[in-house]
Amino acid sequence: GQQLNQSPQSMFIQEGEDVSMNCTSSSIFNTWLWYKQDPGEGPVLLIALYKAGELTSNGRLTAQFGITRKDSFLNISASIPSDVGIYFCAGSQTGNQFYFGTGTSLTVIP
Amino acid sequence: EAGVAQSPRYKIIEKRQSVAFWCNPISGHATLYWYQQILGQGPKLLIQFQNNGVVDDSQLPKDRFSAERLKGVDSTLKIQPAKLEDSAVYLCASRPGVSTDTQYFGPGTRLTVL
Repeated sequence: GQQLNQSPQSMFIQEGEDVSMNCTSSSIFNTWLWYKQDPGEGPVLLIALYKAGELTSNGRLTAQFGITRKDSFLNISASIPSDVGIYFCAGSQTGNQFYFGTGTSLTVIP
Repeated sequence: EAGVAQSPRYKIIEKRQSVAFWCNPISGHATLYWYQQILGQGPKLLIQFQNNGVVDDSQLPKDRFSAERLKGVDSTLKIQPAKLEDSAVYLCASRPGVSTDTQYFGPGTRLTVL
């Protein structure tokens, strides 16, 4: 299967700080998705990206589809305690099958 | 709108035993996925159904795993016999069709194989 690497693997930040994470692939994707997973729950879709260079926001979250189509970025501004969780990127070439990244674990310290 | 339902939530078995997981997708969702999520990793697709037909099962270990969606609604995933490395969370997801990327995930079944 496809390999998607996310970095950093984990982050510990103070409440109010901004967060940046990224996802890289050895393959070109036509769709990039970003999910958040809370403990004991399934992932929940945050943002979907469909075009190279696209920048899309969802509240305090902003994601970008890399121009090489092999990477994507997620930023969270002014973090709050409920942002805690594991963030996954997922890429697709066909829009049908999605490959998930290794995840970035976020801890927000009040 | 009810979400994706899965049962059981937890299961502990010994290696070489059999186990089955059940998934009830959101009503009207034609596409159903089963994922395996090993601790510390992202979900890995095992099988995708469109209605009651298999779209992709290329990553399903068919010597021990099987899945069905007989009436195009509920689905079951079976492991027989289980190995230690099958310990993982098994996630079911559904989406209305191929025109949207939003997959709705269930809470998963956490399997521990001893």
